[in-house]
Amino acid sequence: AQKVTQAQTEISVVEKEDVTLDCVYETRDTTYYLFWYKQPPSGELVFLIRRNSFDEQNEISGRYSWNFQKSTSSFNFTITASQVVDSAVYFCALSESRVNDYKLSFGAGTTVTVRA
Amino acid sequence: DSGVTQTPKHLITATGQRVTLRCSPRSGDLSVYWYQQSLDQGLQFLIQYYNGEERAKGNILERFSAQQFPDLHSELNLSSLELGDSALYFCASSLGLDPVGEQFFGPGTRLTVL
Repeated sequence: AQKVTQAQTEISVVEKEDVTLDCVYETRDTTYYLFWYKQPPSGELVFLIRRNSFDEQNEISGRYSWNFQKSTSSFNFTITASQVVDSAVYFCALSESRVNDYKLSFGAGTTVTVRA
Repeated sequence: DSGVTQTPKHLITATGQRVTLRCSPRSGDLSVYWYQQSLDQGLQFLIQYYNGEERAKGNILERFSAQQFPDLHSELNLSSLELGDSALYFCASSLGLDPVGEQFFGPGTRLTVL
């Protein structure tokens, strides 16, 4: 079963528009971690954020913000006032880790294209 | 630049062959992780090493193996290659054993199996 679902395959916006990427996860663990990664056209993966299951506070970092809702098993990511440099593939990931048993499941990714 | 280096950047080989991918972690990082990104399977965690010891295994095939050397660099060995092994292989590193901390990714090695 898919543990992390990113239902949006591609999103295209015009510069300065806001864009929200959805991430829905599935786990039976009470302790888990959620991540967002960015993969720009150059190919490398860039860590954006980690959130543990006990911290439901939303987070804002510059133009990026994340909304974690355990009740709906979602960890959505919003880019405010998008820029062309935000064009990338964004991956949501779930880690159900235990000692010596690291598990990390990635979603399929959402390709964001920001047009000038 | 994450500080993680991977060589080679590109690798083209034939089915049935064996290749070795190399990763040097960021200075001071003790954990190394390998990931595979393919069109079919998406991004998958393969294996983690910490200070020379294997600590966790993900979806790594038996034809694949890895090791971490005393100088902390790591190698991923892929043998009896199949067309489906064509993928981008990432190495990542982190400071400690805890795999849920921030990981820094290398630029990847793109493997093409013909």
